[in-house]
Amino acid sequence: SQKIEQNSEALNIQEGKTATLTCNYTNYSPAYLQWYRQDPGRGPVFLLLIRENEKEKRKERLKVTFDTTLKQSLFHITASQPADSATYLCALDHNQGGKLIFGQGTELSVKP
Amino acid sequence: EADIYQTPRYLVIGTGKKITLECSQTMGHDKMYWYQQDPGMELHLIHYSYGVNSTEKGDLSSESTVSRIRTEHFPLTLESARPSHTSQYLCASSYRATGSETQYFGPGTRLLVL
Repeated sequence: SQKIEQNSEALNIQEGKTATLTCNYTNYSPAYLQWYRQDPGRGPVFLLLIRENEKEKRKERLKVTFDTTLKQSLFHITASQPADSATYLCALDHNQGGKLIFGQGTELSVKP
Repeated sequence: EADIYQTPRYLVIGTGKKITLECSQTMGHDKMYWYQQDPGMELHLIHYSYGVNSTEKGDLSSESTVSRIRTEHFPLTLESARPSHTSQYLCASSYRATGSETQYFGPGTRLLVL
């Protein structure tokens, strides 16, 4: 069956460290992969997208990698801050007219 | 902040009542979506629209219905609410940025059916 898996356990790290979140998928061939941030009681907010033919994408302290052979994307936050604490969702765009398939998200907690 | 609005933010209602969740966006996006999300779980697409007078059911079966009479407005209706409808409902709209649809979400409506 088709599915997307993100770390189900919360990730707890110390301020200033790099947070790395994983998104694995099976039986999809996404053209794009997107990452969103969701705060409690709020809707997700778009952060970054990466194409299937791109290995890496950066935006300020954020970095995303996309390995279509491993069927995996890694999302990194460098020099993490307590304000980065949130749930991070990956979403696949597999050319279904704009519809995205979302993972369940990984909760990140950055301690001061 | 995305220009997409949902009302009400919170709703507590009794079984059997009819409810309408409102969603409006001022960005002129053609595509709009409704998702259902339970705590700690993934978003499930329940309805989408590619434009005025276009609506389709999503991947998760839902007893709700939607309409799209105006580009900016995409309301969701439950004719008879039940406790199983208790959830968070998120509305989104999208545009195609560099080949992929980026979605903008509203703040959500948290529904509790007693």
